[in-house]
Amino acid sequence: GQQVMQIPQYQHVQEGEDFTTYCNSSTTLSNIQWYKQRPGGHPVFLIQLVKSGEVKKQKRLTFQFGEAKKNSSLHITATQTTDVGTYFCAGFYNQGGKLIFGQGTELSVKP
Amino acid sequence: KAGVTQTPRYLIKTRGQQVTLSCSPISGHRSVSWYQQTPGQGLQFLFEYFSETQRNKGNFPGRFSGRQFSNSRSEMNVSTLELGDSALYLCASSYHDSYNEQFFGPGTRLTVL
Repeated sequence: GQQVMQIPQYQHVQEGEDFTTYCNSSTTLSNIQWYKQRPGGHPVFLIQLVKSGEVKKQKRLTFQFGEAKKNSSLHITATQTTDVGTYFCAGFYNQGGKLIFGQGTELSVKP
Repeated sequence: KAGVTQTPRYLIKTRGQQVTLSCSPISGHRSVSWYQQTPGQGLQFLFEYFSETQRNKGNFPGRFSGRQFSNSRSEMNVSTLELGDSALYLCASSYHDSYNEQFFGPGTRLTVL
């Protein structure tokens, strides 16, 4: 079925450590989108990946889309306290035209 | 451009009541999607409207319904409220569909007592 699994559910890191969250779908995705939700806020779009094997960078954030377009990852280098929040991946399925969100990874950063 | 707005921001209802939530998308956006967010379930897709037509629907009971008006504003209705309906209800708009960037509103926090 159309389901996006995201791990881990929680990640606690010391400021300066790296962080990675992973998403996986059992079926091929048309694209994958990443969102960040700060505590008490609403999801905000970060990036969209469309091509097989695509890698995009935004400053300390690196986003990857798997070769089979079934998995993706977000890696943050040298976390800062401003990175705190929940990171969601969302996969778009051509069949049905739905955007399905992963469960999210809640990141906390200890200064 | 003004962002997505949702009203009301907070609601307290009792079991069995019904509720209507409103969402005004970004000007020019024709697609509006609704999501339910709970701590245990993450963001669950409710439905998507485009040009006043429901284009997609998630796996929610018929108590959850919605509509979209000619100005793209959307409402969702939940009838016969249950305790488990307590959640943050988010709407998101995009120009055409959810293939592209979704712009989320601040949400409506619904508490069912």
